[in-house]
Amino acid sequence: GQQLNQSPQSMFIQEGEDVSMNCTSSSIFNTWLWYKQDPGEGPVLLIALYKAGELTSNGRLTAQFGITRKDSFLNISASIPSDVGIYFCAGQLRYGGATNKLIFGTGTLLAVQP
Amino acid sequence: SAVISQKPSRDICQRGTSLTIQCQVDSQVTMMFWYRQQPGQSLTLIATANQGSEATYESGFVIDKFPISRPNLTFSTLTVSNLSPEDSSIYLCSALLGPSSYNSPLHFGNGTRLTVT
Repeated sequence: GQQLNQSPQSMFIQEGEDVSMNCTSSSIFNTWLWYKQDPGEGPVLLIALYKAGELTSNGRLTAQFGITRKDSFLNISASIPSDVGIYFCAGQLRYGGATNKLIFGTGTLLAVQP
Repeated sequence: SAVISQKPSRDICQRGTSLTIQCQVDSQVTMMFWYRQQPGQSLTLIATANQGSEATYESGFVIDKFPISRPNLTFSTLTVSNLSPEDSSIYLCSALLGPSSYNSPLHFGNGTRLTVT
């Protein structure tokens, strides 16, 4: 199925460092979402973005909806060991007011060294 | 906030058998979605399940292999039929949860980890 290009594929960082990951698409989306998945669990929603240019924070996490509607980034500041996991971006399409079809990025594996 | 419960959380099944996965949402939702996550991979949409109509399948997924039921606004099942080792994956139920049908993000259950031997 269709997937978004997400980079980097993996990151190995020291505790306290800042992290940045991004997602790009050849298609326009009208919603961007960022999820985190821990082993053995379903993805958990971190941030939802609904407008081009929107910048939203959730604690140490900040995400932006690209102005072209074809990209988004997620920043994590001052990483801690519990930030370890796989981060997925997702673009959502809406047709005529009906919300549908979430397309996922390829994922970024984050490892944090204490 | 609403909760999405899936069961079983994991199962080991023999080739040729079927597994039915149940998904319960603790609030009424119009659309539910079933995703597959193959080992080490991202999530791929299998189908969209609307109450009162047949599920809509994505390219590469067919009803005979992945029959879906949606008997009411809080429940859905996904059956993975005629299992083969290639079906070993995590299967995830999801629904749009939020105050607005327009800006409600997708939330997931904890998934069902299926291993086919």
